[in-house]
Amino acid sequence: AQSVSQHNHHVILSEAASLELGCNYSYGGTVNLFWYVQYPGQHLQLLLKYFSGDPLVKGIKGFEAEFIKSKFSFNLRKPSVQWSDTAEYFCAVNDPGTGRRALTFGSGTRLQVQP
Amino acid sequence: DAGVIQSPRHEVTEMGQEVTLRCKPISGHNSLFWYRQTMMRGLELLIYFNNNVPIDDSGMPEDRFSAKMPNASFSTLKIQPSEPRDSAVYFCASSVNRGGTDTQYFGPGTRLTVL
Repeated sequence: AQSVSQHNHHVILSEAASLELGCNYSYGGTVNLFWYVQYPGQHLQLLLKYFSGDPLVKGIKGFEAEFIKSKFSFNLRKPSVQWSDTAEYFCAVNDPGTGRRALTFGSGTRLQVQP
Repeated sequence: DAGVIQSPRHEVTEMGQEVTLRCKPISGHNSLFWYRQTMMRGLELLIYFNNNVPIDDSGMPEDRFSAKMPNASFSTLKIQPSEPRDSAVYFCASSVNRGGTDTQYFGPGTRLTVL
């Protein structure tokens, strides 16, 4: 079964610092990859997604992620974080090749940005 | 456009009572997913439907849980009888099945507390 690892459980940064959140998945076949953000008390919102093509994908609010197939990774980055980026971030994957369209989520990374 | 709609947003009930959670997917979407979020287990799939037909219910905990999708615009998740360990946030998501490259959009969730 597919699994997703997010190694950073809690990250604290100052405003304007750069951000990189790690995400690794276990399945080596064709995968779709997603990053979702959950602001306090709110629902999951899509930040960005990768299906195929250019491994560097850009999302909303200045976020980007790079798919590195050889490392089974899909790390999320932002050059300069803002206080409003304080939220929980989830990496997710599904396996269209196996027909499993449901998302498998990582455990999440709680980002706290200090002003 | 209206997003995924869930009701109620909050539900507090006593152990043993029946609980029904409701979801209206985005119009035109043909796939619907129910997920549960807990501190211990994170986000996990309960069940998903494609064209109103249940496809994968491997995440449904036990016989106390049941889900239906009588038409393309409505789904229910029922717990009977409810137990304190069912306390969680239940999210509904919908997508358009495009042969494996669909993106799931999440509703605001129902926060269930079973006393």
